Amino acid sequence: GDSVTQMEGPVTLSEEAFLTINCTYTATGYPSLFWYVQYPGEGLQLLLKATKADDKGSNKGFEATYRKETTSFHLEKGSVQVSDSAVYFCALSAPYTGTYKYIFGTGTRLKVLA
Amino acid sequence: EPEVTQTPSHQVTQMGQEVILRCVPISNHLYFYWYRQILGQKVEFLVSFYNNEISEKSEIFDDQFSVERPDGSNFTLKIRSTKLEDSAMYFCASSDGAGGQETQYFGPGTRLLVL
Repeated sequence: GDSVTQMEGPVTLSEEAFLTINCTYTATGYPSLFWYVQYPGEGLQLLLKATKADDKGSNKGFEATYRKETTSFHLEKGSVQVSDSAVYFCALSAPYTGTYKYIFGTGTRLKVLA
Repeated sequence: EPEVTQTPSHQVTQMGQEVILRCVPISNHLYFYWYRQILGQKVEFLVSFYNNEISEKSEIFDDQFSVERPDGSNFTLKIRSTKLEDSAMYFCASSDGAGGQETQYFGPGTRLLVL
C-alpha cells in the first residue's frame, strides 16, 4: 500500500542554519502531500501542502516541492529559528485508493539551538 | 481562527475500563476522523465519519471502539474495555470535504494512559 518515509531524527541545528527534512513516498497514483508541525503540547498544524506534481507549497519560510520523478516532498527552510523547534510530519492523501485518510511518516524532531 | 478542540487533554484509566474521548470539530466541517499515535510510532488512522456513519475504519478499529456524533457539535471515540496497548495520543480531525486535496484540521490530542 501507499506509505511515507521520513528521515530519522532528532535533527539539531544552530539558529540561522539551513534545514532539510527528507520525505519520500510510495504511491500507486498521484497523492496529495502535506507537512504538519507539532509544537510542544499542541496538536498537528498544517504547515504546507501540494496537490500535484511540481507544485511548491510554502508557509512561514518553509518550502517543499512535489517531485514525482523522485517521489519526494522534502521540507526546507533557509534560516531556522529557535521557535521552529518542533516535530514535523510528512503525510499523504490518496483518494484514488477510495480512501481519504492521511498516511503519516514517523515524524522528525527538530531542535534549534540559540 | 476556528480550531478543533479535544477533551480531556490527559486521561489515566485502569485496564478494562471504558473511556470516552471527546472532540468538537470545526463547525462547518462535515468529515470527521480519529487517529492515534503510540509513543515513538507513526500517527495511524483509526476511523472516518460522514453523514452520521462510519465511512472507513482501519484494522485497529475493532469491536472495542465506537464513534458517535451525539449532537451537532461533539464527536466522540469510545473504547469499551481498554487494554494496555491502547495507551497512545488520540487525535481528532475534521475537514470540509474529502476529495483528497482538502486539509484535515487536527485537535491538540488526548493522551491516554492505560494502567
